[in-house]
Amino acid sequence: EAQVTQNPRYLITVTGKKLTVTCSQNMNHEYMSWYRQDPGLGLRQIYYSMNVEVTDKGDVPEGYKVSRKEKRNFPLILESPSPNQTSLYFCASSQTLGGNQPQHFGDGTRLSIL
Amino acid sequence: GDSVTQMEGPVTLSEEAFLTINCTYTATGYPSLFWYVQYPGEGLQLLLKATKADDKGSNKGFEATYRKETTSFHLEKGSVQVSDSAVYFCALSNNQGGKLIFGQGTELSVKP
Repeated sequence: EAQVTQNPRYLITVTGKKLTVTCSQNMNHEYMSWYRQDPGLGLRQIYYSMNVEVTDKGDVPEGYKVSRKEKRNFPLILESPSPNQTSLYFCASSQTLGGNQPQHFGDGTRLSIL
Repeated sequence: GDSVTQMEGPVTLSEEAFLTINCTYTATGYPSLFWYVQYPGEGLQLLLKATKADDKGSNKGFEATYRKETTSFHLEKGSVQVSDSAVYFCALSNNQGGKLIFGQGTELSVKP
């Protein structure tokens, strides 16, 4: 089954404790990205990757890092989480970068930073 | 910059009622337009899309027409069901790093 898998689904942690949210897709997609969803703001892009070893900032990259060492994986790293990063996070992938390509989303990771 | 504005929710309808969720956009050039649906506890799923002016996207009884003259992409369904209860997001993509620009989402609740 074609899917985007995120882990963990839920995490409660404390300020400053490094964490990683993993994302893996099994569709051989080139393009992957991370979004955060906040009430009243919809989804906003954090980082994206056009292929292995190619990443770039989205609209709200501050406080986040990513890496793309393999095509299928695109982890989101919070080196020193803060309470304003409490949010619902989604990983997405698509075949290519083209604007008319639909994106496939994971089920989300709800992070609470105390 | 590019942006998407959706009608505010929540929207509550009775089963078999007609649904319209308004969506307007601001963008340069010719963006592709999408509707995504998010069921409780799940990620977003593509509902329909349109890639050029006057295109009509349709799926599962939902429709939306790309209207460049009014910069709109309103979502409609003739007869909603309880199972349509979800949050609906309008989005555009304008070849800016593959980014989707989302509206704020509209929560739909359908009562039996």
